[in-house]
Amino acid sequence: DGGITQSPKYLFRKEGQNVTLSCEQNLNHDAMYWYRQDPGQGLRLIYYSQIVNDFQKGDIAEGYSVSREKKESFPLTVTSAQKNPTAFYLCASSTYKDTQYFGPGTRLTVL
Amino acid sequence: EDQVTQSPEALRLQEGESSSLNCSYTVSGLRGLFWYRQDPGKGPEFLFTLYSAGEEKEKERLKATLTKKESFLHITAPKPEDSATYLCAVQAIYSGNTPLVFGKGTRLSVIA
Repeated sequence: DGGITQSPKYLFRKEGQNVTLSCEQNLNHDAMYWYRQDPGQGLRLIYYSQIVNDFQKGDIAEGYSVSREKKESFPLTVTSAQKNPTAFYLCASSTYKDTQYFGPGTRLTVL
Repeated sequence: EDQVTQSPEALRLQEGESSSLNCSYTVSGLRGLFWYRQDPGKGPEFLFTLYSAGEEKEKERLKATLTKKESFLHITAPKPEDSATYLCAVQAIYSGNTPLVFGKGTRLSVIA
């Protein structure tokens, strides 16, 4: 069954803690993306990667980091430098210049 | 700067009452305009891609149209299960897999 998986579905972070959100796809897509969604806001781009071992910052990259060591995986780390991390995080993937498909999302809450 | 504005922010319809959602955009060269449906607590679900002015696409009770400045999502005889947030996004013509620029969405409620 092809698709995009994100884990965990819910994540809780304490102040000063780094946390990593997982995103895996088995669609053989080259490009992967991370977006953040806040209530009443559109999706905002954090990072994207068009190819393995390469990635670019989006509009709100500060306080986040990513890696792309495998085509199937694009984990996002929310660092302690991100002052307001509570949000819904969405991962997406696409083939070259094609439609982006989204995973089910991870809801991160700061305690 | 590429921008997308969706209106209205929220729309409440009676079952069977047809209406349209608007997506106005500015982009330096449009590669595609995308419509997604998002249910609460879930990831967006792809509906349509439109590439050029005059293009139309249909799926069940939904029809999307595109002009050079805006897109409409027409909902004909909606049912309660059509209740969701509808997101519009544009992709500019640059090299590679350029990210999407999203509007804030229209929250649709269909009342039985």
